[in-house]
Amino acid sequence: GQNIDQPTEMTATEGAIVQINCTYQTSGFNGLFWYQQHAGEAPTFLSYNVLDGLEEKGRFSSFLSRSKGYSYLLLKELQMKDSASYLCAVRDQSSGTYKYIFGTGTRLKVLA
Amino acid sequence: DGGITQSPKYLFRKEGQNVTLSCEQNLNHDAMYWYRQDPGQGLRLIYYSQIVNDFQKGDIAEGYSVSREKKESFPLTVTSAQKNPTAFYLCASRDGTSGIKDNEQFFGPGTRLTVL
Repeated sequence: GQNIDQPTEMTATEGAIVQINCTYQTSGFNGLFWYQQHAGEAPTFLSYNVLDGLEEKGRFSSFLSRSKGYSYLLLKELQMKDSASYLCAVRDQSSGTYKYIFGTGTRLKVLA
Repeated sequence: DGGITQSPKYLFRKEGQNVTLSCEQNLNHDAMYWYRQDPGQGLRLIYYSQIVNDFQKGDIAEGYSVSREKKESFPLTVTSAQKNPTAFYLCASRDGTSGIKDNEQFFGPGTRLTVL
């Protein structure tokens, strides 16, 4: 079947580094995405990984290991505005078309 | 400016009434998606469309219907058969062609539907 797991909540301090993990199971993996979502708003795209390794984009980095079905999102130099939910999503093509399967999201609280 | 619009932002309906949520994009994207999000939950796929005049059921299609008569538009109807329609509804689109541009889904601002 298809399944995505990520922690429900995390708390970190302003200026610190936080790592949000995501594990997945899918039969037709075609990429892993991370989105940021503030309460009541639409998700915004953060990163995309399809090959193993680390992708860095400013204060945000995302890592993928396809053999382990594992990804993480790393946020550095945390700011108060980073308080949001972070959604891990896998693109699956086992049905012959692209479908996106989302995890339940990790709610990150950044404390002063 | 290119983007995806959903209207209205907030919608109230009485139980037993059908309601249609609009989604329009001027990004010239081929693929469009409808998701539902409940409090504290991730996004669940309702329907998706890869091209005009074609669409497929997602994981929770029961009680919903869609049409894709134009590339720019993908309206979602929440019927009275949907048992728990109160939720946040998000529309998204994707380029649909091969290459780097196809990697990202763009989301509309969402419609919060409350059924009284």
